[in-house]
Amino acid sequence: EDQVTQSPEALRLQEGESSSLNCSYTVSGLRGLFWYRQDPGKGPEFLFTLYSAGEEKEKERLKATLTKKESFLHITAPKPEDSATYLCAVQPLRGSQGNLIFGKGTKLSVKP
Amino acid sequence: ETGVTQSPTHLIKTRGQQVTLRCSSQSGHNTVSWYQQALGQGPQFIFQYYREEENGRGNFPPRFSGLQFPNYSSELNVNALELDDSALYLCASSLDGGGYTFGSGTRLTVV
Repeated sequence: EDQVTQSPEALRLQEGESSSLNCSYTVSGLRGLFWYRQDPGKGPEFLFTLYSAGEEKEKERLKATLTKKESFLHITAPKPEDSATYLCAVQPLRGSQGNLIFGKGTKLSVKP
Repeated sequence: ETGVTQSPTHLIKTRGQQVTLRCSSQSGHNTVSWYQQALGQGPQFIFQYYREEENGRGNFPPRFSGLQFPNYSSELNVNALELDDSALYLCASSLDGGGYTFGSGTRLTVV
């Protein structure tokens, strides 16, 4: 069964304190892995898509990496405005392309 | 370039009633997917529409149904509402199944 597990469930950081979020996945063939940011009461906001092991992508203070079993979202010197829930999703090769399988997310709080 | 817009933003319904949620896809996008997100959970795939045809469905009963129109906008219909249907309903659009852009969702409360 395809599934995604994110850890930790919640993470509290001080402003400037770098850390990483983990996304472990099991899928029978990976089309792509997605990272989204979600603010309370809002829809997910696209951050990155990764397609193959070894791939890395960066955007401002965020960097996403991918291996065959997991992905990391590294946050360097976070600011309070980075506080949000970060969602990881996999898109299996089989089935509908719209079928993104999401984890439960990591709720990040960054204190000034 | 307009994003994905959903209406209404909030809705309260009584158990057993029927509801229709609406979604306008991002300009240039021809594929729409619907997701249900319960509190504290990740979104769960309901179904996808491509060129007005359903072309994928998650583990949801037939009382969840949908439509896609020629302008690629979409509707999600839920019949015989149950208390567990209370959730944030998200619409996401893409071009040919590529990157997905989500709307802000409709918060449905069933009482």
